[in-house]
Amino acid sequence: DAGITQSPRHKVTETGTPVTLRCHQTENHRYMYWYRQDPGHGLRLIHYSYGVKDTDKGEVSDGYSVSRSKTEDFLLTLESATSSQTSVYFCAISDPGATSTDTQYFGPGTRLTVL
Amino acid sequence: GQQLNQSPQSMFIQEGEDVSMNCTSSSIFNTWLWYKQEPGEGPVLLIALYKAGELTSNGRLTAQFGITRKDSFLNISASIPSDVGIYFCAGQQGSNYQLIWGAGTKLIIKP
Repeated sequence: DAGITQSPRHKVTETGTPVTLRCHQTENHRYMYWYRQDPGHGLRLIHYSYGVKDTDKGEVSDGYSVSRSKTEDFLLTLESATSSQTSVYFCAISDPGATSTDTQYFGPGTRLTVL
Repeated sequence: GQQLNQSPQSMFIQEGEDVSMNCTSSSIFNTWLWYKQEPGEGPVLLIALYKAGELTSNGRLTAQFGITRKDSFLNISASIPSDVGIYFCAGQQGSNYQLIWGAGTKLIIKP
């Protein structure tokens, strides 16, 4: 298994509170991604990073921000959580420069519930 | 956002049966990937396809990259209980490293 961990694995919070999810990798991969997974929608990209301090938006980025201060860590922040952000969040990593394709490897996920 | 059309959405099968699922798009892809997700875990890569017409196997799984580059198929032969899960296709276009995902096919084996 690729060395990817996510923390916390489960979190329950209240509407309006800030939440930060952490993804940590030990593979030294350049690209990191945050997805959310909801029934009927599959995986939707929130944000991704292509290097330290280099990030870009995905298709569902509203209400989320990210930061990557070092290669191994990619943080996802919900500044003010809403019930619509209740979901399972997955981090993924890839190293497309090595193969020119984007084979992504996933972490175990974080289940977030916003009450 | 753009999604691949993955079908069927779910399948109820008997143990020992063969399974077939596919993904289609109106756009051309350079790479097709097939993932499997089990409950409580992240998706795991099963097969990667890089050339039109390519046929690749991984044990009882066989996937093909459509000749038009707009579709891909995954077949599972002689299904067993541990095949249960959700299977996702994902595709890459051009030089953009982002993947476009299908909505998944949920495989359920009848007792």
